[in-house]
Amino acid sequence: NAGVMQNPRHLVRRRGQEARLRCSPMKGHSHVYWYRQLPEEGLKFMVYLQKENIIDESGMPKERFSAEFPKEGPSILRIQQVVRGDSAAYFCASQPDRPTEAFFGQGTRLTVV
Amino acid sequence: ELKVEQNPLFLSMQEGKNYTIYCNYSTTSDRLYWYRQDPGKSLESLFVLLSNGAVKQEGRLMASLDTKARLSTLHITAAVHDLSATYFCAVVYGGATNKLIFGTGTLLAVQP
Repeated sequence: NAGVMQNPRHLVRRRGQEARLRCSPMKGHSHVYWYRQLPEEGLKFMVYLQKENIIDESGMPKERFSAEFPKEGPSILRIQQVVRGDSAAYFCASQPDRPTEAFFGQGTRLTVV
Repeated sequence: ELKVEQNPLFLSMQEGKNYTIYCNYSTTSDRLYWYRQDPGKSLESLFVLLSNGAVKQEGRLMASLDTKARLSTLHITAAVHDLSATYFCAVVYGGATNKLIFGTGTLLAVQP
């Protein structure tokens, strides 16, 4: 049973470009969470999704950021028109229906130049 | 809104010494996690604490939870260099959403 898979591991974008981060949860997990870790800081909750639904997006910036978790395929975190302040590590976590623990992926490290 | 505070933020200690990291949280929660993070890496789950008085131990690390005081501790016994990392506590918040609110982290540096 593979763990939570994120890709790419590293992503470099120029200011104004779009960044797409992908997360495939563990098999059998239908709950996906995205967290952002700025340099030298802890992780901050961004969004919680179940298949085809956004459940809680209270941590998402109001503009440029969006997330989806389609019926088929991975969850996508999309950042439009990236700025330098978006440079961070983005982690995805998944949980089963009866959660006891969150399982984290390896993260995507986004660098905006 | 739930706030999670850790202290100290930075801890430099010598091998063989004992120390404790503290994690305070501001509102009721039914689950608390401790994670380890090495530089540039993901989070490694260390402990899940579910109930008041819970104590778990793994090697030189022991975690405890006092839900009445809203306090968890991570105790390090006879530290070794391999324990150098950043340690985070995280508290489940938001009822059915089960999202995690993380502490600020404690950077532990164990000196030989």
